[in-house]
Amino acid sequence: QVQLQESGPGLVRPSETLSLTCTVSGGSIFSYYWSWIRQPPGKGLEWLGYVFSSGSAKYNPSLKSRVTISLDTSKNQFSLRLSSVTAADTAVYYCARGGYSDYAVPNWFDPWGQGTLVTVSS
Amino acid sequence: DIQMSQSPSSLSASIGDRVNITCRASQDVSIYLNWYQQQRGTAPKLLIYSTSIVQSGAPSRFRGSTSGTEFTLTISSLQPEDFATYYCQQSYNVPPTFGPGTTVDI
Repeated sequence: QVQLQESGPGLVRPSETLSLTCTVSGGSIFSYYWSWIRQPPGKGLEWLGYVFSSGSAKYNPSLKSRVTISLDTSKNQFSLRLSSVTAADTAVYYCARGGYSDYAVPNWFDPWGQGTLVTVSS
Repeated sequence: DIQMSQSPSSLSASIGDRVNITCRASQDVSIYLNWYQQQRGTAPKLLIYSTSIVQSGAPSRFRGSTSGTEFTLTISSLQPEDFATYYCQQSYNVPPTFGPGTTVDI
């Protein structure tokens, strides 16, 4: 059974770059949309983007050019980089597997990692 | 972006109650509508995808349906572990977007 685990710093200073890694175990990394989704404390869910197993990526336009998601198939990991962070980027960050579709849109998200809280503060 | 709305935003119910949660999209999403359950302090879990397909491992008391542009999650007989927040999500186009959530409490 596939499991995902996020790792990375829990505190990032304003204007710096947030970096997280998700390790995938128990299954293949191929033919899925590996996604990052975040949830500010007490709020709803926001999809940040995905990287497909081919290495191609797609991002939420709301983040403009601040987000980069990459894949390392040799390590069964994918990573998130979010630049120029502010307090508004404080959230629990989840990695999730996105189901394949013919339309470059993840069909669903399952499973999810347990999530990691990242706080942006000086 | 497709905007998702849910109603009610919260509801109180008792064990054994039948519960309906409604989700609407700002434009047509065909059948590409999913439901997730999030218990306090944990990650969301996929319950239903493509409007009505129950995810493997999810209890059969959860049912998804649609009537035109309105989607409904029904819990046929509420159990103690069902007290949680439920989110709908469209997978029709990018970016995938989530509803604001419906909290079910006692």
